[in-house]
Order: sequence, then structure tokens, then C-alpha cells
Amino acid sequence: DAGITQSPRYKITETGRQVTLMCHQTWSHSYMFWYRQDLGHGLRLIYYSAAADITDKGEVPDGYVVSRSKTENFPLTLESATRSQTSVYFCASSDVRTYEQYFGPGTRLTVT
Amino acid sequence: DQQVKQNSPSLSVQEGRISILNCDYTNSMFDYFLWYKKYPAEGPTFLISISSIKDKNEDGRFTVFLNKSAKHLSLHIVPSQPGDSAVYFCAAKRTGNTPLVFGKGTRLSVIA
Repeated sequence: DAGITQSPRYKITETGRQVTLMCHQTWSHSYMFWYRQDLGHGLRLIYYSAAADITDKGEVPDGYVVSRSKTENFPLTLESATRSQTSVYFCASSDVRTYEQYFGPGTRLTVT
Repeated sequence: DQQVKQNSPSLSVQEGRISILNCDYTNSMFDYFLWYKKYPAEGPTFLISISSIKDKNEDGRFTVFLNKSAKHLSLHIVPSQPGDSAVYFCAAKRTGNTPLVFGKGTRLSVIA
């Protein structure tokens, strides 16, 4: 199916564990983004990527690692999960010619 | 420092009436503004946008107004429908392919 998908949709993990959230888009969009949504904070940018092998930090990058070896994939890794990383994570993509971002359905992550 | 502010966390409107959602920004370098709509357990979806060279953009029941001197934009929904009940995020960006900056969102409830 065309679009942007995220997996898993729900994840429970323990403090200190590494967890990777996957994001895949089929539009060949140049730009991809990771956001977290927390009550009282709205959507905050974690990392973004302008193209394969090009990534930049956003507003809240600490504790996260990203990579982009292929245009269509943009995984987000929590190297050692903490309770403060409990959140809903959204991946988004956009074409270089437009500014509208298209969001995936989100991953709800709980760190116990 | 919050660059995009949505000062009303929630808004209730009767079906058929006008809904007005407000957004203020502080960064004078922002030149493109967007509104996103988000239902529970789904990713945000793009609704409407406006460039700083315009002061109004209309799409069906949705109109966005931009007042650059006041650094203020608003989204008007006329007539409001129960299906419009969602969280609405205002977003802004600077020139070029720079990331969006989101407000914290306003929850709209349209009462039948």
C-alpha cells in the first residue's frame, strides 16, 4: 500500500533496553521526520533527514539515534530507554517541492 | 521559548456554527503556515496552509487568515460538523526546506 507506515504500533519495553521504531514511506519523499507527542507539549521534532545519509537534530534529540541508508526508511532507535521516553512517536515525510508533511499512524511506546 | 502558541487548549462549538481556532507566533522569519487535524489514535493530517504573501486561503468549509503585523493566524470552519471534532495543530516554518514548528494544539468539540 502506498503511504507511510510505522511499526510496531504499540510497544512496551523496560528501562535500559534498546528499542527501534520503524518508519517506511512509498512516495520517495526526500524529507523524513520523527516527532514525539506528549500531553502539554504538542509535537516536538526529534530528528529529521533531508536525504539518504543526511540527518539533523531537532528540538529533543537526546537519547535517540537515527539512520537513513535508504530513502524510504528512517528508523529511530532509543539506545537505552528511559521512562521519560514514554510517548507517542510519529514519523512524517515530505517532498522537496512542497512543505506539507504526511504523517504515519504513530507508535505508542511505554517504558516501564 | 515557544515560537508557535495555541493559547486555547479546547473549544466547544454547536453544530452548524462557526469554529475559530487561533494561533500566534513569535518568529518573524516564519513565512509559511499550516494547519493539521488529528483524530485519536491516528497521525495528524494536513488541512490547509497559507504563505506569508497572502492574508487568506480558502478550501471548502475551511479558511485560514493571516495577520502578519500581529503575528497571528486563525482557522475558520463554517459550518462546523460533528466530524470536525479533533485536535488542531498550527505549524509554521522559515524559508526553504526547514522543519515545521508546531503549537501544542487545540481540541475542538462540535456538539450536535
